[in-house]
Amino acid sequence: DQQVKQNSPSLSVQEGRISILNCDYTNSMFDYFLWYKKYPAEGPTFLISISSIKDKNEDGRFTVFLNKSAKHLSLHIVPSQPGDSAVYFCAASGLSGNTPLVFGKGTRLSVIA
Amino acid sequence: ETGVTQSPTHLIKTRGQQVTLRCSSQSGHNTVSWYQQALGQGPQFIFQYYREEENGRGNFPPRFSGLQFPNYSSELNVNALELDDSALYLCASSLGGVTPDTQYFGPGTRLTVL
Repeated sequence: DQQVKQNSPSLSVQEGRISILNCDYTNSMFDYFLWYKKYPAEGPTFLISISSIKDKNEDGRFTVFLNKSAKHLSLHIVPSQPGDSAVYFCAASGLSGNTPLVFGKGTRLSVIA
Repeated sequence: ETGVTQSPTHLIKTRGQQVTLRCSSQSGHNTVSWYQQALGQGPQFIFQYYREEENGRGNFPPRFSGLQFPNYSSELNVNALELDDSALYLCASSLGGVTPDTQYFGPGTRLTVL
């Protein structure tokens, strides 16, 4: 049973436009959410996180939105750049330290020049 | 500041063999977590070590075992390899503690079991 779901395996966006990647979760004990980006032959790179006490966190071109009642989060990338083309993973964990991350299956983003 | 490193990069083994994968955590981090990423899937939690003790385990059989050393580097050992063990093995380090903490990943070890 998948606790973190990324229902879109792939997404294609034009350079300069907004990319929106979605993630749903089922476990109400999750309180901390992260997005990672992964290029081929590399490990996941941390992008941005949000805790359940917030509904939005912004870092440069990246913004994560959290809707706790809907158990849904999204990552917005504005403006999208060709270098953003990668697989994006949504991950969730509990609030206490040292809890493991539960990952979605990832969404492959292609930004077309 | 040195990031998370893993060795080897690639490894080919045959069924029934044993393998040891290594991870050096980021400077200042005392917690190491290991994940298995099969093709087309997200990383799956194997286990975590905090200050040299196992601190949580995912749904993996006992033939997956690990160690953490006083310098917080870590090993993942897999005995009696099966074909399904072929995957990318990722190590992540974090500061540990009582608040949620970001895990930083190494580049991974690609294991192929023939």
